[in-house]
Amino acid sequence: AQTVTQSQPEMSVQEAETVTLSCTYDTSESDYYLFWYKQPPSRQMILVIRQEAYKQQNATENRFSVNFQKAAKSFSLKISDSQLGDAAMYFCAYRILSGGGADGLTFGKGTHLIIQP
Amino acid sequence: GAVVSQHPSWVICKSGTSVKIECRSLDFQATTMFWYRQFPKQSLMLMATSNEGSKATYEQGVEKDKFLINHASLTLSTLTVTSAHPEDSSFYICSVHSYNTGELFFGEGSRLTVL
Repeated sequence: AQTVTQSQPEMSVQEAETVTLSCTYDTSESDYYLFWYKQPPSRQMILVIRQEAYKQQNATENRFSVNFQKAAKSFSLKISDSQLGDAAMYFCAYRILSGGGADGLTFGKGTHLIIQP
Repeated sequence: GAVVSQHPSWVICKSGTSVKIECRSLDFQATTMFWYRQFPKQSLMLMATSNEGSKATYEQGVEKDKFLINHASLTLSTLTVTSAHPEDSSFYICSVHSYNTGELFFGEGSRLTVL
């Protein structure tokens, strides 16, 4: 079974600074997706960034970037120039890349990100 | 705009009653939808995979007779919590898979409180 581990229950960063959230996972599959989702107090799940395991290049989305280390099964999220609106729970998630698309996500326990003004 | 709509967003019911939660795919047809449960201050746990026109696939430990899933059309899946008890109180979230983009889109969630 696949597992996703987020070892930081809570992180705090000053506004405009950079913060890195860690995530490791365990799988025997070679093809899969990795995601970072943000869940603000509204509880709506918002996709932050996605990485396909077969791609060597790290995904980036504006201020958000990942450090994907496939051999180490590590998938960290870096948030640059942190803003107050970034405060939320962040979940790392894994999904097998299957032809049928019939597999749900496996989530980590989440990291609560606090932005200090 | 929203891609996935869930209804109701919150519901309170008495113990022993049944509650139905709807998940609608607004932008595309979805043969597969997923139901998750999230307890306070915890992560999302996959409950079941809803398959259009066939039986749902339940994760280990999830009672299929307790959580009835119906996926009668390509845009609607329903989760019915039968004979609800206080321990069923939780946040239930559905998601829809887009075959075109591979993305998963989440509904707004439904908060169930069983008294």
